[in-house]
Amino acid sequence: GIQVEQSPPDLILQEGANSTLRCNFSDSVNNLQWFHQNPWGQLINLFYIPSGTKQNGRLSATTVATERYSLLYISSSQTTDSGVYFCAVERASGTYKYIFGTGTRLKVLA
Amino acid sequence: ETGVTQSPTHLIKTRGQQVTLRCSSQSGHNTVSWYQQALGQGPQFIFQYYREEENGRGNFPPRFSGLQFPNYSSELNVNALELDDSALYLCASNYPGLAGQDTQYFGPGTRLTVL
Repeated sequence: GIQVEQSPPDLILQEGANSTLRCNFSDSVNNLQWFHQNPWGQLINLFYIPSGTKQNGRLSATTVATERYSLLYISSSQTTDSGVYFCAVERASGTYKYIFGTGTRLKVLA
Repeated sequence: ETGVTQSPTHLIKTRGQQVTLRCSSQSGHNTVSWYQQALGQGPQFIFQYYREEENGRGNFPPRFSGLQFPNYSSELNVNALELDDSALYLCASNYPGLAGQDTQYFGPGTRLTVL
């Protein structure tokens, strides 16, 4: 099956710093989403981005489908950005069966 | 706020028991998926329902079963609970968005502990 790997596995930042999270996937995908899981377990949608670039405030994401990777950029990080970031891919269109990556655990220090 | 709710929030059961977890999504979300997330890992796909029929299944045994109802609610049933079933159980519903963007929205989860 498709493999989804994220890096780095853990990241510690000072408030105000920028970071880049990476998601590599081993096969073609039709859909890709980035999620933030808060300390209470809630998965929050950040981006639906099967290809191209999107921005939402301090966050932006780029997916290069032909090279099978996606990047999530966090600028001017805040303590509330702490949590686990997952990318999830859907291999076949319309199945809505998402394969999740291994996650990046981010801690932002005040 | 995703519009997807789950109950109960927490649950403690003992080995061998049966459990039912519930999920309610917004009107129009005709696809619901269930995931199991063990501690420190990413969510793993259990199964999906579309218009009240199972529409895909992950690598989980038959003692994991589900139902989807016409009112956009659904259930996950687990029989003969094992210690390894302790996890956060997440449901996600699909909103057929604009321009073919199919985004999954997740509920807050039910944390199941099996003793």
